[in-house]
Amino acid sequence: DTEVTQTPKHLVMGMTNKKSLKCEQHMGHRAMYWYKQKAKKPPELMFVYSYEKLSINESVPSRFSPECPNSSLLNLHLHALQPEDSALYLCASSLLSGGTEAFFGQGTRLTVV
Amino acid sequence: ELKVEQNPLFLSMQEGKNYTIYCNYSTTSDRLYWYRQDPGKSLESLFVLLSNGAVKQEGRLMASLDTKARLSTLHITAAVHDLSATYFCAVANYGGSQGNLIFGKGTKLSVKP
Repeated sequence: DTEVTQTPKHLVMGMTNKKSLKCEQHMGHRAMYWYKQKAKKPPELMFVYSYEKLSINESVPSRFSPECPNSSLLNLHLHALQPEDSALYLCASSLLSGGTEAFFGQGTRLTVV
Repeated sequence: ELKVEQNPLFLSMQEGKNYTIYCNYSTTSDRLYWYRQDPGKSLESLFVLLSNGAVKQEGRLMASLDTKARLSTLHITAAVHDLSATYFCAVANYGGSQGNLIFGKGTKLSVKP
């Protein structure tokens, strides 16, 4: 299994809503990532988990809250988002966090209204 | 701080022609990745280049890495419409945080009949 699975594929939420994005991999990878991608831009790193511990937080606002319940799962909890947070959110995993090849999920297209 | 520059950012090609996309990076790294992204989709891994002089080929695409020049190229031979997509290079970053990928801005390739 070489897949990274993300759910949901599409999400529309209001600015007062709370929602979660989910990501799962069964490749035995010990590093997992959240990226945000706006249209016509490269992916921007948000968070890195290494061995289920948060190792990098790229100054992401607290309305985004990551969680890594175990080595296969990664969540991104969303609360009080702004319209400018609308983007494609990509989960990725890699064997280790030291620059090894990253495999990306299909992404969640998030629209904040 | 590792910076990655891709050029050109936009490339309009005719079918059957050859062209090269360039990826330069600013500090030492020995791992470089090429990804393809179709509109609204996730990133698909194309090539993993792990050492100086590495060359990989898949169909009409060939990627190479020169770590001394800090340069990777993605060469397209006899382009076909199906190659239309955005191509990103990503360089492994070992400095500062626990390693992640630094992406170029992407090259949007359009192959016209």
